[in-house]
Amino acid sequence: NAGVTQTPKFQVLKTGQSMTLQCAQDMNHNSMYWYRQDPGMGLRLIYYSASEGTTDKGEVPNGYNVSRLNKREFSLRLESAAPSQTSVYFCASSYRDRGPGELFFGEGSRLTVL
Amino acid sequence: AQTVTQSQPEMSVQEAETVTLSCTYDTSESDYYLFWYKQPPSRQMILVIRQEAYKQQNATENRFSVNFQKAAKSFSLKISDSQLGDAAMYFCAYRSAKNNNDMRFGAGTRLTVKP
Repeated sequence: NAGVTQTPKFQVLKTGQSMTLQCAQDMNHNSMYWYRQDPGMGLRLIYYSASEGTTDKGEVPNGYNVSRLNKREFSLRLESAAPSQTSVYFCASSYRDRGPGELFFGEGSRLTVL
Repeated sequence: AQTVTQSQPEMSVQEAETVTLSCTYDTSESDYYLFWYKQPPSRQMILVIRQEAYKQQNATENRFSVNFQKAAKSFSLKISDSQLGDAAMYFCAYRSAKNNNDMRFGAGTRLTVKP
C-alpha cells in the first residue's frame, strides 16, 4: 500500500544548482500535482497534470518545470535553484472525474537552497 | 479566485475536551467540495473529513464532525473527546466541482492537545 511516493525526502542545494524531485503513485489516478508548503501560507499549487501527456501551471509555477513521464510518474525540476525556493514540496494524486477528488499526498520533500 | 481563510493560527484543547477549528471561504460557485486535512509532525497530509456542497447534512467521521453553513461560506471542524494523537496542523481546503484541478488551502491551524 505505497500510495504516493516521493524522493528525495531531504535535499540541500546551493544557489544555481539544479535538481529533480521524483513522484510516483500506484493508485491508477489520472491527476497528479506538485504543491509547495511555506509557513503561514498553507499549500500552493505549482503545476498539475490532469492526465498523461498534459501539464498545466498552477498558482506559483515560476522557476519550475514538470514532466508527466507516464500515468504513474510526475517529476518536478528546479533548473537554477534560488533561496526563495526553500520549502517543503508535496506531490499528490487524485481521480479527476470521480467524486470529490480528494488528494492523496506523499510524505513531502524538504528542500533547502543556500 | 477562491480563497480559504483560517483565522486561528493556533488552538489548544485539554485532552478529552471538545475543540472547534474555524474556516471560511470565498467563492461565487454553487457546486464545490470542502475538506479538512491533518498534518502531524511526520508531515504526511491525511484526509480527516470531506463535505459536498450540495449536501445539507453535515459530514461526520467518528470524533470529527463539521458545521457547514453554505450561505455564510463557513466550514468549521469539531473534534470531540480530543486525544493526544490529534495534535497536528489542520488545513481547510476548497475544490471547485467545475475546475477540479485546483484545490485551495487555508494557512492552517496548529492544534495542541494538553494532557
